[in-house]
Amino acid sequence: GAVVSQHPSRVICKSGTSVKIECRSLDFQATTMFWYRQFPKKSLMLMATSNEGSKATYEQGVEKDKFLINHASLTLSTLTVTSAHPEDSSFYICSARALAGGGNEQFFGPGTRLTVL
Amino acid sequence: AQSVTQPDIHITVSEGASLELRCNYSYGATPYLFWYVQSPGQGLQLLLKYFSGDTLVQGIKGFEAEFKRSQSSFNLRKPSVHWSDAAEYFCAVWGPSGTYKYIFGTGTRLKVLA
Repeated sequence: GAVVSQHPSRVICKSGTSVKIECRSLDFQATTMFWYRQFPKKSLMLMATSNEGSKATYEQGVEKDKFLINHASLTLSTLTVTSAHPEDSSFYICSARALAGGGNEQFFGPGTRLTVL
Repeated sequence: AQSVTQPDIHITVSEGASLELRCNYSYGATPYLFWYVQSPGQGLQLLLKYFSGDTLVQGIKGFEAEFKRSQSSFNLRKPSVHWSDAAEYFCAVWGPSGTYKYIFGTGTRLKVLA
């Protein structure tokens, strides 16, 4: 089946620093990748949708200057949390939609736990 | 606007007992429907999905779900729960709005008693 990886799985950083999270589709090409944020014991909140080669579309209330998304290739999207603060601590999950077949299914990565001290 | 409701935040069942997790959606047309499971600290694993056709869908790990258009429901069931099924379960819908965005329910946390 389609596999999506995320790196790193866990990251701890100091307040004010930037953190980059990678999302890769390992065995398929992804036209669209999605970034979600999950608060403890809560559901997934869609942050943004990124299409390869174009600017990401951010959901209402998500700061685009704080959460920089780049989708440089059909297999890689990155989320950079800039000037991270403790309130940015969360579980970030990406998903990818396959290019082939016009599928309606998203394949999810294992998530990245970000802790900002 | 599309929405997904999972009325039960927590459910506790004994191992070997049957399970039903409820999911109701709000959408003008028939959406695509999904159930995902999330173990602690992990990503989401797809259990099953419904796009069209037979309204009773079989998934992995012995799970099934039934789409009922009249009730706008897509409840997840399992005849006999195993301790390893303890996890968080999310129902999700996707509608052909052109944006391919999932909408997730708030999740149901399943606890299994030995």
